[in-house]
Amino acid sequence: DIQMTQSPSSVSASVGDRVTITCRASQGISEYLVWFQQIPGKAPQSLIYAASTLQSGVPSRFSGSGSGTDFTLTISSLQPEDFATYYCQQYNSYPLTFGGGTKVEMK
Amino acid sequence: QLQLQESGPGLVKPSETLSLTCIVSGGSIGSGSYYWGWLRQPPGKGLEWIGSFSYSGTTYYNPSLKSRVTISADMSNRQLSLKLTSVTAADSAVYFCAYRLRFFAFDPWGQGILVTVSS
Repeated sequence: DIQMTQSPSSVSASVGDRVTITCRASQGISEYLVWFQQIPGKAPQSLIYAASTLQSGVPSRFSGSGSGTDFTLTISSLQPEDFATYYCQQYNSYPLTFGGGTKVEMK
Repeated sequence: QLQLQESGPGLVKPSETLSLTCIVSGGSIGSGSYYWGWLRQPPGKGLEWIGSFSYSGTTYYNPSLKSRVTISADMSNRQLSLKLTSVTAADSAVYFCAYRLRFFAFDPWGQGILVTVSS
């Protein structure tokens, strides 16, 4: 199985801050990586697929980069609605696996 | 636009079988390469992929659950099902069904259904 390691597990930030979350795969996954946002009590929503392609309707302050084993999700200017938990997920091979999540909290 | 809705019992006894259905409504399923998925999330914890059912009828299961899981689909009735046998408290979670096209993310997801395993 491919292990996905996210860091940090939590981050405290303020509105307007730039936030960066990293995800590392235990082996190369090309660009087969998705980033999800999850608000408590809701289903996850995809933000980015193929490592860097923005899902339709997702604000441009979200961006993704990386390939191989190292990936990054960046929120360029944190908005109030962005306080949530973020997960990466690889779809290079089965079993599909997720990172442990990064909780973005208000400072 | 596709909409997914999970249904089933919210309480299952230990050692019994958890059975859930996902009803698909609206939109077009698509004629290309697509996959249905079941995923779960224990309260306060992260996401786990349970398995997927492909457009060609192939199933893919998480090895950690493979011996206990069966996923099937009846797209003529727009239903996806999940069966998980011999459940324990560790199987208590919110269960989600989801759809994805090949090379894309799971999107959309159902709202999720909380299943508690308890006597």
